[in-house]
Amino acid sequence: GAVVSQHPSWVICKSGTSVKIECRSLDFQATTMFWYRQFPKQSLMLMATSNEGSKATYEQGVEKDKFLINHASLTLSTLTVTSAHPEDSSFYICSASRDRGFEPQHFGDGTRLSIL
Amino acid sequence: AQTVTQSQPEMSVQEAETVTLSCTYDTSESDYYLFWYKQPPSRQMILVIRQEAYKQQNATENRFSVNFQKAAKSFSLKISDSQLGDAAMYFCAYNTNAGKSTFGDGTTLTVKP
Repeated sequence: GAVVSQHPSWVICKSGTSVKIECRSLDFQATTMFWYRQFPKQSLMLMATSNEGSKATYEQGVEKDKFLINHASLTLSTLTVTSAHPEDSSFYICSASRDRGFEPQHFGDGTRLSIL
Repeated sequence: AQTVTQSQPEMSVQEAETVTLSCTYDTSESDYYLFWYKQPPSRQMILVIRQEAYKQQNATENRFSVNFQKAAKSFSLKISDSQLGDAAMYFCAYNTNAGKSTFGDGTTLTVKP
């Protein structure tokens, strides 16, 4: 149980385009979803916390106009990287939570984003 | 705010040997949860083991066990009989009651055949 699906797993696109990444909880309702960015051999950097039906809470230093997050339902959150540039190239991971501390984060498999 | 510190950026172990990865954390809460996650080269995050702070007994999952010292705010992971498939980056994580996680910087474990 507690499966999270993240798509796409890998995307390459031209500079200036927008890219949407989906995160779905397949067999449970996720009260909260988290979006992380990870550089090679580094830790997960929390970008934003997404709650169903409300605006996402962004971490300090994360541009909310660049990284648009929509949590439309209890099973789907999307991250849109708008007008992407090469410096946005990274590995993005989502996780879903039922807001219970004893539960681990349920992670998607991540999205490798490359902007040319 | 909670912080999680993993002081060993890299560790190596001989196959079949035992290795311990260290983790310390800082919190003013009395009720929280601790986890170790493994991230192999595939970059998928995999739960290794979890520990509830109110439980004194150290958690064990097959070859993986923890040494949880609540007063010292220490949560180390011991891997026994190391296997090649254990090679990965390991992250220590702290959960609040609401389920929000704070991660350490990670320890890259190399297993030598």
